[in-house]
Amino acid sequence: QSVLIQPPSASGTPGQRVTISCSGSSSNIGSNSVNWYQQLPRTAPKLLMYKNSQRPSGVPDRFSGSKSGTSASLAISGLQSEDEADYYCASWDGSLNGWVFGGGTKLTVL
Amino acid sequence: QVQLQQSGPGLVKPSQTLSLTCAISGDSVSSNTAAWNWIRQSPSRGLEWLGRTYYRSKWYNDYAPSVKSRITIKPDTSKNQFSLQLNSVTPEDTAVYYCTTQQVDVWGKGTTVTVSS
Repeated sequence: QSVLIQPPSASGTPGQRVTISCSGSSSNIGSNSVNWYQQLPRTAPKLLMYKNSQRPSGVPDRFSGSKSGTSASLAISGLQSEDEADYYCASWDGSLNGWVFGGGTKLTVL
Repeated sequence: QVQLQQSGPGLVKPSQTLSLTCAISGDSVSSNTAAWNWIRQSPSRGLEWLGRTYYRSKWYNDYAPSVKSRITIKPDTSKNQFSLQLNSVTPEDTAVYYCTTQQVDVWGKGTTVTVSS
């Protein structure tokens, strides 16, 4: 059971906007920023978003992030077939004194 | 640009010690503003942070409660790298192991470790 809670799956058609949620608690998301990762099969997770809504260089602006209270969201607009992947959220947990992760959301582009 | 290069065996026998190394380029393992993590991923446990090492005038470690009694993460300043040792492994420790930077923004390529006789 992962500390951060994500829906196991999400889907959309090309061009649509999809949102993936990540729910935590006061010791993690409530008091620290959130990272988002995209993971393609048999590869390491790739940083997609940091500090809730900051995109690393090279990440398209179709990806956006937000945080409110103890929850965070990743939105993907103009969905493309290459966005089909697993997406994970992560945050530092001050009670654990370590990083915690969501269980991952498998995004399917129909 | 920080890069992490992992090395270590992909097969470990039950009850033995899993040992992996992560070589750092583009930063120093002894940096006063950095920390270095080990994370693993398996179908049953998902992504799991295992622990970290960092230097703030002296060396510190933090470990996940789930592995605290079996884990050691050590820096090697002479080679600018850090290592993971996990003792008394069982098949439940079978996973892909990653080393990462402090903010979990840069990842090594991952090492698939299978615990089997």
